[in-house]
Formats: sequence, C-alpha cells, structure tokens
Amino acid sequence: SQQGEEDPQALSIQEGENATMNCSYKTSINNLQWYRQNSGRGLVHLILIRSNEREKHSGRLRVTLDTSKKSSSLLITASRAADTASYFCATVPGGTSGSRLTFGEGTQLTVNP
Amino acid sequence: GAGVSQSPSNKVTEKGKDVELRCDPISGHTALYWYRQSLGQGLEFLIYFQGNSAPDKSGLPSDRFSAERTGGSVSTLTIQRTQQEDSAVYLCASSLERQYYGYTFGSGTRLTVV
Repeated sequence: SQQGEEDPQALSIQEGENATMNCSYKTSINNLQWYRQNSGRGLVHLILIRSNEREKHSGRLRVTLDTSKKSSSLLITASRAADTASYFCATVPGGTSGSRLTFGEGTQLTVNP
Repeated sequence: GAGVSQSPSNKVTEKGKDVELRCDPISGHTALYWYRQSLGQGLEFLIYFQGNSAPDKSGLPSDRFSAERTGGSVSTLTIQRTQQEDSAVYLCASSLERQYYGYTFGSGTRLTVV
C-alpha cells in the first residue's frame, strides 16, 4: 500500500489564489519530499523537509510537517497557470529501513487563468 | 550529463517479446532507482541500487523483471515475455546519497504492450 496519501485528489483554483495540498503517512519517516509532475512524465523535486523540521519555504512554496499527526501540507501561494500539474508527496522511512521513496497517489492541481 | 537520461522515450512491443529500458544517471550519483507509473496512478517502486551494495529488488512484480547496473553508472531494466499489464511509464531516478537528497528523475520510457 502507498505510504503517502494526498488530499484532495483534485483541486481547481483561479490564478492568484493559494493552493493547499495535504499528505498523510503511516510509519516513521526520515524525511518527506514533494514532487511535481507535468504531463505524466518525469517528476521534479520541489522541497525536502526532515523529520526534525516543522516548516520550510522555497519561493512561493511552503511545506509544513507534523510528525505527531503524521501529516504534511504543501502551500503554493499566488498560483499561476504554469503551476498546473500533479503533486506527489513521498517519504523516506526512518531508522535503517532503507532510503527508497514511497509515493502517494498525487493531487492533480488545475490553475485556471 | 546534466540530467538523468532514459531511452527509448517510447516503446511499443508485442505481447511475449522482451524489452530493455536504459537509464543514464547523473555522473557521481551513487543511488539509482526504477519506478513505474500506470496511467493516472502514483509511482510503484521496482528496484534500488546503492553503490556496490546488493540491490533492493523487493519491488519487482515478477521474475520476468530484472535490472542491472554496470560500473556503478548505467542501468538496464529488462522485462521478459511482456504482458499487457506491463504497459506503463517506467521512470528512473538518481540521487547523491541516501536519505537526505531529493531524487532527479528522467523523463521516462512509455511502454505499450500490444
């Protein structure tokens, strides 16, 4: 089963609005990462947050992590039509369970001009 | 090269044939991963190579799937006796070191088994 589960599955907003996507996971993690995918091909790494961090920023992106609730959120501020894509969260397990990423099913974001 | 390169970008094959998919990771990246993605779905882990360690093959769906990584660089994913359910986009990614770095993905190989 997928470790990360994104919510909502699909999100449609107007340009200029903020978009918030949530991710929940089941087991302990070393870090959590967010990726963007355009047109069903290669994924682009957006941001990584470690288990001992609570918030990170990168440009218009803000990621939060709540390890007590096993959840994370990705906020995209002042969205643009070019932000239209699928967004995936992915987790690296804690301890010595290896470093492979486990991906969720993704959120399809549509930003309407 | 500057990024992860995968070839071919598209492959159509007949059911029962064998296919080889190639991945050239970023130079110096010690970790290499294969995932596959069916239409509209998330990514399914297949196999992971880290340096000279034995690969983690736990995600390979059947013994028709195998992968190797030669010289710690180029990797080939081989699917024998392809089936229609093998149709998917196969994505390769590499990273510098375990755990603390994001992955760089290639553009994938879209495999269609007819």
